[in-house]
Amino acid sequence: QKEVEQNSGPLSVPEGAIASLNCTYSDRGSQSFFWYRQYSGKSPELIMSIYSNGDKEDGRFTAQLNKASQYVSLLIRDSQPSDSATYLCAVTPSGTYKYIFGTGTRLKVLA
Amino acid sequence: DGGITQSPKYLFRKEGQNVTLSCEQNLNHDAMYWYRQDPGQGLRLIYYSQIVNDFQKGDIAEGYSVSREKKESFPLTVTSAQKNPTAFYLCASNSFTRGGYNEQFFGPGTRLTVL
Repeated sequence: QKEVEQNSGPLSVPEGAIASLNCTYSDRGSQSFFWYRQYSGKSPELIMSIYSNGDKEDGRFTAQLNKASQYVSLLIRDSQPSDSATYLCAVTPSGTYKYIFGTGTRLKVLA
Repeated sequence: DGGITQSPKYLFRKEGQNVTLSCEQNLNHDAMYWYRQDPGQGLRLIYYSQIVNDFQKGDIAEGYSVSREKKESFPLTVTSAQKNPTAFYLCASNSFTRGGYNEQFFGPGTRLTVL
């Protein structure tokens, strides 16, 4: 079983719609959760971090964490073509200094 | 301007050669990491270091070596023992101020190709 799982996509949404990206993780003791955006050929860029249950909003982005169900999600409101990228979920399992990354979900925003 | 720099941006290696990828950060971060990314795949951890003069193997350390002589620098050597080194190499760093798991930031990456 993979430690961090994401649907590879592509997830296609029309411009202006809400994009919903999901991530599940296996280590119940995981403490920190991150979302990165990666454009083709570029390095990952941190867009959201979340450490406690609930929602965290930053501009058009909302991260949602549910530790009981072991999932974290990212909502992108008013999606723009420039949001088209691969979104990586990262989790820090307990007892380690490692950051475990999912394989990413490719998002396509259609103009 | 604070950040993480990696050089070179592109690197070509002949069979049997060792090559060294540079990673420097001026963020005063304690921890530094090396990842490898293959096309269409996630990030795989090669080595990481929490403090100067100490580092640990990640999940795919075979054929790679590192050093951490300075807080700012964490070079990665890809040795001839690494049989399939063509990949995108990413260096990352973070500090420890929230119980050990702070936000991790990435350098721009080095794309290594074996000729």
